[in-house]
Amino acid sequence: GNSVTQMEGPVTLSEEAFLTINCTYTATGYPSLFWYVQYPGEGLQLLLKATKADDKGSNKGFEATYRKETTSFHLEKGSVQVSDSAVYFCALSFGANFGNEKLTFGTGTRLTIIP
Amino acid sequence: DAGVIQSPRHEVTEMGQEVTLRCKPISGHNSLFWYRQTMMRGLELLIYFNNNVPIDDSGMPEDRFSAKMPNASFSTLKIQPSEPRDSAVYFCASRWGDSTPEQFFGPGTRLTVL
Repeated sequence: GNSVTQMEGPVTLSEEAFLTINCTYTATGYPSLFWYVQYPGEGLQLLLKATKADDKGSNKGFEATYRKETTSFHLEKGSVQVSDSAVYFCALSFGANFGNEKLTFGTGTRLTIIP
Repeated sequence: DAGVIQSPRHEVTEMGQEVTLRCKPISGHNSLFWYRQTMMRGLELLIYFNNNVPIDDSGMPEDRFSAKMPNASFSTLKIQPSEPRDSAVYFCASRWGDSTPEQFFGPGTRLTVL
């Protein structure tokens, strides 16, 4: 079956540090890949996505590139801020394929940014 | 445009009681998903609907759980009878169309069963 393996947390960084959260996946075929973010007490928000190999998703200074050869979708940000403190989830789906639309999530990585 | 709406936001009940969680998807979206989030199991899909029809309910834990979608703008997830191990945050999400893969999540219902 499909699965997502995500970097264990928690991760604590100082403000303006470089961030990488690793994500690899196992799937039959070519899924769409996502990063979702969950702020304390809130639901999940889509941060970025990529739907095919070599696509780069980006939003709010975060980036991730769909690497088919390494089945990876690592999240990066060049300079983190305190407001980036949250839990980050990597996920995949075959969203356009009827009957296989569900999101498969990684375990989540809790990120804390200290001033 | 309003996002996915869930109610109640918090529910505290006693073991054995019936619990009903409600969801209103984003207008025009035709797929609706119910997820459960716990510390032990993370985020897991319980059931999803496409055009109001249940497509995959393999994640529903047991017969105590049931879900309905009587129309395109409303869905319920019912637990009867509830047990302490059902305590979790329950999320509803919706999606539009046949080509856009992303799902939009509601704020969740935090359920505590005593």
